[in-house]
Amino acid sequence: GQQLNQSPQSMFIQEGEDVSMNCTSSSIFNTWLWYKQDPGEGPVLLIALYKAGELTSNGRLTAQFGITRKDSFLNISASIPSDVGIYFCAGQGGSARQLTFGSGTQLTVLP
Amino acid sequence: DTGVSQNPRHKITKRGQNVTFRCDPISEHNRLYWYRQTLGQGPEFLTYFQNEAQLEKSRLLSDRFSAERPKGSFSTLEIQRTEQGDSAMYLCASSLGQGYHEQYFGPGTRLTVT
Repeated sequence: GQQLNQSPQSMFIQEGEDVSMNCTSSSIFNTWLWYKQDPGEGPVLLIALYKAGELTSNGRLTAQFGITRKDSFLNISASIPSDVGIYFCAGQGGSARQLTFGSGTQLTVLP
Repeated sequence: DTGVSQNPRHKITKRGQNVTFRCDPISEHNRLYWYRQTLGQGPEFLTYFQNEAQLEKSRLLSDRFSAERPKGSFSTLEIQRTEQGDSAMYLCASSLGQGYHEQYFGPGTRLTVT
């Protein structure tokens, strides 16, 4: 089945720094989504990508759909304390309607 | 609030008991999904509905699990004869369908089986 490798597993950064995380897949995806999850809550959708090569921004967040359709990255610029949380990539491929999720990147922002 | 809602938020039950969770999707969304999430992992797909039809089920959905969406609106997920391994966060999501793959998640139901 499809597998997603998300890295890094965790990151500790200083407030104001930029951060980058990425996902790679063993299979082609048609859609890449990025979510943020706070403890005890459901994932919140940040960015959706639908085309290979697409670069999309949402405020300080920028995500790209890789040309090979097997990878995606998320950048956060000028991090702030409320960026703390777990970030998940998710892909949807072929005729499947469900999402396949990565294992998450735990982000800690130090003051 | 017009987001996805789930009830209850927390459930503690003894092994062998049956439990039922409810999900109310965003009102105009015709697709509804159930996922399970264990600590330190991303959500894993369980099943999905388009309107009232259950179109796909994961191998994770054992015979003890059943889901319904009787009128194409809210959905229920029932687990019979719960086991300790069923302890997890159960997440519901909905999407518009028709080429829109963005899924919006509810807050989840945290199940603890003792």
